[in-house]
Amino acid sequence: DAGVIQSPRHEVTEMGQEVTLRCKPISGHNSLFWYRQTMMRGLELLIYFNNNVPIDDSGMPEDRFSAKMPNASFSTLKIQPSEPRDSAVYFCASSLMGSGANVLTFGAGSRLTVL
Amino acid sequence: GNSVTQMEGPVTLSEEAFLTINCTYTATGYPSLFWYVQYPGEGLQLLLKATKADDKGSNKGFEATYRKETTSFHLEKGSVQVSDSAVYFCARDGSSNTGKLIFGQGTTLQVKP
Repeated sequence: DAGVIQSPRHEVTEMGQEVTLRCKPISGHNSLFWYRQTMMRGLELLIYFNNNVPIDDSGMPEDRFSAKMPNASFSTLKIQPSEPRDSAVYFCASSLMGSGANVLTFGAGSRLTVL
Repeated sequence: GNSVTQMEGPVTLSEEAFLTINCTYTATGYPSLFWYVQYPGEGLQLLLKATKADDKGSNKGFEATYRKETTSFHLEKGSVQVSDSAVYFCARDGSSNTGKLIFGQGTTLQVKP
């Protein structure tokens, strides 16, 4: 398996633009997580899905952020409009819930810079 | 509440030195505990885990023992290498079987030759 695949790896955009980050989880995994990492706040859980259904989005900063999982092999995190304070590395992770200790497999991350 | 607290970094050691990174957690019940490692420019990777009290997780020379008496899961390595330089995250799973993990703030380790 190629692991969790995220795209783009790097994105530089201007304030006000729409940003879409993509994630392909490991085949067979039934849980998907979006995290955000910054120097100031560390690693924050934004939202997670079980069986394609959003379970907890309490970590989503505000209405500018939205996430979807239309099927078991694809998820998007969208920011519209983007702001400089959204600059961070966004990680997607997946796991097989119910397999015992919940081990998350992370993607390499998408580094977002909003100018 | 449910949280994970790690010792603050950065930790700077010479090669072959002994490493300890402290981690404590709060929880109702007995969560599974994890250490993840993040090398520069990469995502987090599972380093080791323990699922019940007194379990010892180990991998690549690193060890951590699940201590319910002290609610701790300290990471240790007897002899660090330059290649161990990374950020280390302690984590516990959620209070219900949600699959999500709660991470500590991370501890940066720098090993000098």
